[in-house]
Amino acid sequence: TQLLEQSPQFLSIQEGENLTVYCNSSSVFSSLQWYRQEPGEGPVLLVTVVTGGEVKKLKRLTFQFGDARKDSSLHITAAQPGDTGLYLCAGGGAGGTSYGKLTFGQGTILTVHP
Amino acid sequence: DAGITQSPRHKVTETGTPVTLRCHQTENHRYMYWYRQDPGHGLRLIHYSYGVKDTDKGEVSDGYSVSRSKTEDFLLTLESATSSQTSVYFCAISGWGIDTEAFFGQGTRLTVV
Repeated sequence: TQLLEQSPQFLSIQEGENLTVYCNSSSVFSSLQWYRQEPGEGPVLLVTVVTGGEVKKLKRLTFQFGDARKDSSLHITAAQPGDTGLYLCAGGGAGGTSYGKLTFGQGTILTVHP
Repeated sequence: DAGITQSPRHKVTETGTPVTLRCHQTENHRYMYWYRQDPGHGLRLIHYSYGVKDTDKGEVSDGYSVSRSKTEDFLLTLESATSSQTSVYFCAISGWGIDTEAFFGQGTRLTVV
């Protein structure tokens, strides 16, 4: 069974601070996705990284896939209250009919205080 | 928003009763999934389908069964509900490929008393 360890589980910071969320595994994944979830809603995809060492930027969010495709990080610069939510990392399956079989980390609840 | 509808959105049921949750999509995606979400566990895959009448187990499939008789509908059945199945259930759909995106429904909150 593939496992993804996400840390920290809770993060409470002030507006303007920077933060990093980590996602680690002993398994290799075909891809690594980051989702954001609001209360009462389903997760929504932020980004997908598929190549070892890949870095993607989405405004103030920077996503990195480890060289060995076993870990990933999400860095938010100058956090804003609108960034508050649950962030989930998810590893993609090995291929064939399994690409969409996602293994999720436990999630990070981020609260950004004004 | 992707066209995924889950029903019901909320349900309270008694231990030992059967329960069926429905997921309906209008996107014609081949792949459909059922996940459950519990505090401290993220989302865990229960069952998934890669085509009509083609289904397979996920990591937490015990006590659950699924059926897919049409592309657009994927049903999750709890044969005899237990309190440990109290959870929020999410349906998801996706296409195929290494960078395929999963689209999630709004979830069903199930309470087994």
